Amino acid sequence: QSALTQPPSASGSLGQSVTISCTGTSSDIGAYNYVSWYQQHPGKAPKLIISEVTKRPSGVPDRFSGSRSGNTASLTVSGLQAEDEADYYCASFAGNNNFRFGGGTKLTVL
Amino acid sequence: QLQLQESGPGLVKPSETLSLTCTVSGGSISSNNYYWGWIRQPPGKGLEWIGSIYYSGTTYYNPSLKSRVIISIDTSKNQFSLEVSSVTAADTAVYYCARERDYQYYMDVWGKGTTVIVSS
Repeated sequence: QSALTQPPSASGSLGQSVTISCTGTSSDIGAYNYVSWYQQHPGKAPKLIISEVTKRPSGVPDRFSGSRSGNTASLTVSGLQAEDEADYYCASFAGNNNFRFGGGTKLTVL
Repeated sequence: QLQLQESGPGLVKPSETLSLTCTVSGGSISSNNYYWGWIRQPPGKGLEWIGSIYYSGTTYYNPSLKSRVIISIDTSKNQFSLEVSSVTAADTAVYYCARERDYQYYMDVWGKGTTVIVSS
C-alpha cells in the first residue's frame, strides 16, 4: 500500500510559521475525518500532536494546528521555537481497518 | 499514567521469526475503546503501521505484511505480542507498540521502541 505523500523537508525561522502538507487520496484523507499528526525527535518515540484532522491533545501547544482540504491535510506550526525542530508524520485511516503513515517531513528551525 | 514497554530479542537470523512483547502498565489492556498496535521504523526511514488487536482478540493487519504477521493478546498478563515470520534484512527496524483509539484512529500512547536487527 502506498504511503501518504509529505515533503521530505521544511524550514522556517524562529517565530515564523511553517506549514507541512500531507497528500493522500479519496480513499483515505479525502474520505475520513481521521487524520493525525505525530512529532518525533531524534532517538525518541513519536508523539501525538493532532488527531481527527484538527484536535489538539491536552498539553500540546496551540501553536500546532491541523486542517484539511480535499485529499490534502496540513499541519501548521506558528511562532516556531527551537524545540519544534523534529520529524513530523501524518497518518490517516484508509478504510477496511487499514491505516497509513506519510513518509515524514524533517522540520528545521533556522 | 499509562506506559507501554517493548521487549524481545534484538537480533534475529534471516528466515526466522521475530517475536516481541508489549507490556502495558498503569492501566488495563481490556479497556473498551482502545486497540493495541505495532508500528515499525526502518533505519532512517518513516513509520509503517503493522497491525492492531482489541482485547477480545479481533485483529487488523497491514495488507502488505498480513501473510507474515500475527498479533496476539494476553489479558491476564496485560501484554500483547507480535510475530513476524520469514524475516529478511528489510525487517530491520525500531519496533514500537502503541495504544490506538477505536473509531477515532490515532495512537495516543507509545512505547519507547526496541531495535531489531535481522542478520546472520
